[in-house]
Amino acid sequence: DQQVKQNSPSLSVQEGRISILNCDYTNSMFDYFLWYKKYPAEGPTFLISISSIKDKNEDGRFTVFLNKSAKHLSLHIVPSQPGDSAVYFCAAIWNTGNQFYFGTGTSLTVIP
Amino acid sequence: ETGVTQSPTHLIKTRGQQVTLRCSSQSGHNTVSWYQQALGQGPQFIFQYYREEENGRGNFPPRFSGLQFPNYSSELNVNALELDDSALYLCASSRGRAGANVLTFGAGSRLTVL
Repeated sequence: DQQVKQNSPSLSVQEGRISILNCDYTNSMFDYFLWYKKYPAEGPTFLISISSIKDKNEDGRFTVFLNKSAKHLSLHIVPSQPGDSAVYFCAAIWNTGNQFYFGTGTSLTVIP
Repeated sequence: ETGVTQSPTHLIKTRGQQVTLRCSSQSGHNTVSWYQQALGQGPQFIFQYYREEENGRGNFPPRFSGLQFPNYSSELNVNALELDDSALYLCASSRGRAGANVLTFGAGSRLTVL
């Protein structure tokens, strides 16, 4: 039962352009969402989060958008840089929950 | 600030054997969670430990067990290993046990079961 889904296994983008990574969820109880970035041989590192009371959160080149009615969130990276090449996981949790539900990840390649 | 460290980084076992994986949490964090990441999948929640007690378990059988110690470090034990247990095991620590507490992950222990 995959409650968080990332339907694009991979994405390639030219350096300087926008990268858009998508994530869908099925459980309407989720009220906190995060994006993690993972390089090979390293653990996932936290990138950005958003609460369900917001529809947008921005941190430098990274912006996360949340559409609760569509149960959809997206991560925008502008401008994309080669160092952004990694696997990106979205994750969700509800306020009193103790487990994060992760998507299967999207491998982003930024081409110089 | 010391991050999350895990050991060993890689190990190979055979079916039926037992394995113990270890994790030191980040300083200031009192909660440890373990996740299994199979090839091509996202991390799956195994269980969480808070104040040395299990505080929630995912869909994993009882042969997966754990411990948390007074210094907040933790162990994951897997008995009667099966081929499907081959995966990356991730330990994550956090300041609290629920909700919007960001997980800080270690680099993982890669287990191969032959």
